[in-house]
Formats: sequence, C-alpha cells, structure tokens
Amino acid sequence: NAGVMQNPRHLVRRRGQEARLRCSPMKGHSHVYWYRQLPEEGLKFMVYLQKENIIDESGMPKERFSAEFPKEGPSILRIQQVVRGDSAAYFCASSDPGTGAEQYFGPGTRLTVT
Amino acid sequence: AQSVTQLGSHVSVSEGALVLLRCNYSSSVPPYLFWYVQYPNQGLQLLLKYTSAATLVKGINGFEAEFKKSETSFHLTKPSAHMSDAAEYFCAVSGTGANSKLTFGKGITLSVRP
Repeated sequence: NAGVMQNPRHLVRRRGQEARLRCSPMKGHSHVYWYRQLPEEGLKFMVYLQKENIIDESGMPKERFSAEFPKEGPSILRIQQVVRGDSAAYFCASSDPGTGAEQYFGPGTRLTVT
Repeated sequence: AQSVTQLGSHVSVSEGALVLLRCNYSSSVPPYLFWYVQYPNQGLQLLLKYTSAATLVKGINGFEAEFKKSETSFHLTKPSAHMSDAAEYFCAVSGTGANSKLTFGKGITLSVRP
C-alpha cells in the first residue's frame, strides 16, 4: 500500500519563477493538507482540501499561493513569482476521516529559491 | 483556537535511560492529540494518537503517552532509549471536521548518548 507521494523531492527556482508541488494521497484518502516547515518557525498549516473543494485556507498567504485538489489527479500547491522567503520544506498529508483522525505525511518537497 | 507548547528545544539522554518529552496543549474543544517523529530530511511519521478513548496511548517503537485533561498535558515517554530514537519529535493538536488541521509545537530534538 503506497504511502503519500510528493514530487519533486527537490525543486530549485529563480526569483520570479513559478513553483508547482504535487501530492498524491494514500489510496482511499480523499482529504489533503499542506504544511510548510521553515527553519526557525516550525511546521505551519497552509490549506486543507477535499476533492474539488477548499475546506480551510486560513494558513495560506494572501498572494501568490494557491492550491487545488481536482476530481482526478494529484493535489497541486502553486507558488507564483517565488521569492527567497519561500524557500522551505513543503509537506503534504492525507487522511480518511471515516477510519481515523490521523494524517499521514509524504516525504516533502524542498524548495530552494535562488 | 488551539495551541501546543513543547518546552525546551533539545533533550539529551543516555542509551537505556528513560525518555520524557513534554507537551502541553490548549483547546476550546475536546482535542485530538498526536506525536510525530521526523528523521533528518524526511517526512513525519505518526508515533501515536489520542482521540478520546483510553487516556494511556501506546504507539510504535515502544513509545507511549498519557492524556491528562486536568493538566492539559500529553507527555511522551519511552522506558529505555535506543540510539535509533535520535530525531525530532513534534506534538500536535487538532479538532474535527473542518477544523481538523494540525497545530504543531516547535518540536524537540532528542539526542541519545552511547
């Protein structure tokens, strides 16, 4: 049973470019969460999605960041016009509320903005 | 609003010694509580969870935690540390439904001395 998959594992972008981070949840999971880990700030929630719906985006920066979880395919976290402060590890987690409250995490995407 | 406090950023124990990592939470609703472990450059692995069943929760790798409502605590323990336990440990709290995002503490780095 494959776990949560994220790609790419490492992503380098120059300032002003776009970054697209992908997350495939565990089989059978229909809920996806995105978190960001910064060295001095710890793990912070960004957004919670179900298929075709954004449930909670209270942690998303107001500009340049967006997320989707389409009916088919992976969830995408998109960062437009990246800046150096976007350099971080981005983790995706998935859950199946029908079987438990726990979230299972992917290996993360480490974004470096040069 | 929910929050988690993990006092101290680093704990060092000798191999074979008791491991005690402290976690206090704040929640306006009955919480779900979790401990996760993160090894360098990896994602988070769930150690154990409390979801209003038994107050003493057993997890993987010999870890356990006790939910104490009166103390708003959920401390993580292991009777005998192993070198492989060296990692960063995160306590997290969540609600349910649309409020199921995880709120993390800042994390504690556990070192194990031979």
